[in-house]
Amino acid sequence: DAGVIQSPRHEVTEMGQEVTLRCKPISGHDYLFWYRQTMMRGLELLIYFNNNVPIDDSGMPEDRFSAKMPNASFSTLKIQPSEPRDSAVYFCASSLTQGSTEAFFGQGTRLTVV
Amino acid sequence: GENVEQHPSTLSVQEGDSAVIKCTYSDSASNYFPWYKQELGKRPQLIIDIRSNVGEKKDQRIAVTLNKTAKHFSLHITETQPEDSAVYFCAARGRSNSGYALNFGKGTSLLVTP
Repeated sequence: DAGVIQSPRHEVTEMGQEVTLRCKPISGHDYLFWYRQTMMRGLELLIYFNNNVPIDDSGMPEDRFSAKMPNASFSTLKIQPSEPRDSAVYFCASSLTQGSTEAFFGQGTRLTVV
Repeated sequence: GENVEQHPSTLSVQEGDSAVIKCTYSDSASNYFPWYKQELGKRPQLIIDIRSNVGEKKDQRIAVTLNKTAKHFSLHITETQPEDSAVYFCAARGRSNSGYALNFGKGTSLLVTP
């Protein structure tokens, strides 16, 4: 397996534009996590899915953020409209079942909103 | 939800010395505690983990200890080398709504000087 795949790797957009980040988890993994990483706040859990169902989205900062997982092999994180303070590295991670198992991270998407 | 505190935020040691990073968690039901290493511009990668039924685990120069009663766990790196320089994150996996979320500390930037 190629691991968790995220796209794009880098995104530069203007304030007010819609941004869509994409993630393909490792095949067979039933947990998928979206994190945002900044210097100030570290790795923040935004939302996570279990078997494609959103379980906890309490970390999503505002209504401008939304996430979907239409099937077991694809998830999106959308920001609409984007703002400069959304600039960060966004990571997707997946893991196999619940309990004590490793979460594997994608390479991240570096988002810059100007 | 789970709250993970990590200290120190920065740590500088001489090559060959030991480094210790400490974390506390809030949810007594948390049962899995991984440590991730993140090099500059890279994704976080698991270096060691410990489950709630184990008090200590060692892998070559790296060891982790867990005190469930006090709800804290620590990472110990012995005989540090310059390539150990990175940001280290602790995490705790605990119950979140109907699933299990993985929450991270804010990270420790470790610098090993030759």
